[in-house]
Amino acid sequence: EVQLVQSGAEVKEPGESLKISCKGSGYSFTSYWIGWVRQMPGKGLEWMGIIYPSDSDTRYSPSFQGQVTISADKSISTAYLQWSSLRASDTAIYYCARSDGGNWYDYWGQGTLVTVS
Amino acid sequence: DIVMTQSPDSLAVSLGERATIKCKSSQSVLYSSNNQNYLAWYQQKPGQPPKLLIYWASTRESGVPDRFSGSGSGTDFTLTISSLQAEDVAVYYCQQYYGTPQTFGRGTKVEIK
Repeated sequence: EVQLVQSGAEVKEPGESLKISCKGSGYSFTSYWIGWVRQMPGKGLEWMGIIYPSDSDTRYSPSFQGQVTISADKSISTAYLQWSSLRASDTAIYYCARSDGGNWYDYWGQGTLVTVS
Repeated sequence: DIVMTQSPDSLAVSLGERATIKCKSSQSVLYSSNNQNYLAWYQQKPGQPPKLLIYWASTRESGVPDRFSGSGSGTDFTLTISSLQAEDVAVYYCQQYYGTPQTFGRGTKVEIK
């Protein structure tokens, strides 16, 4: 069974750093892209970026370039999303999702709620 | 960026009736080399992650009920729920994967009338 399991909810203060994770199982982690999607409270879905864990090829949305870092450790089938200095506007649910060929997203993590206050 | 414009923002449909959601892209998402439209549809219920319904604009994901169908090409697309069920109450999003950044529509909330 394909699963993406994300790390738990976080409460942080502005200016703090954070790294959240997304662990894949039940499939070949290096054969699929992993994307990250933000959902601010009561709002829609925003595409942040995507990584191919096999070679760490990474693409960012211009809206998030320089604001976050996407990475992956294929040895432990885990992708990451990190911030060096959080802002209150980073408060949101962050989803990771699996993509075949960098196209649609067929499996999603349960989401990680990040609260910055 | 390719802008995805969904309409309406919300709609209320009686049980068993048809629900129709539109999605328009600011440029064509039809890739001429493979004649595929790089468009997907997702359903998101409260407190849950999105669920893939349709990809390549009209291919239903495995396990998705056949009352859900996608159509359209180029810049204009439609998601149709042929006979609305109570469990279909959700927000529906279109997504283009033709270009980077990938982009989503703002969502359409479907409720029961």
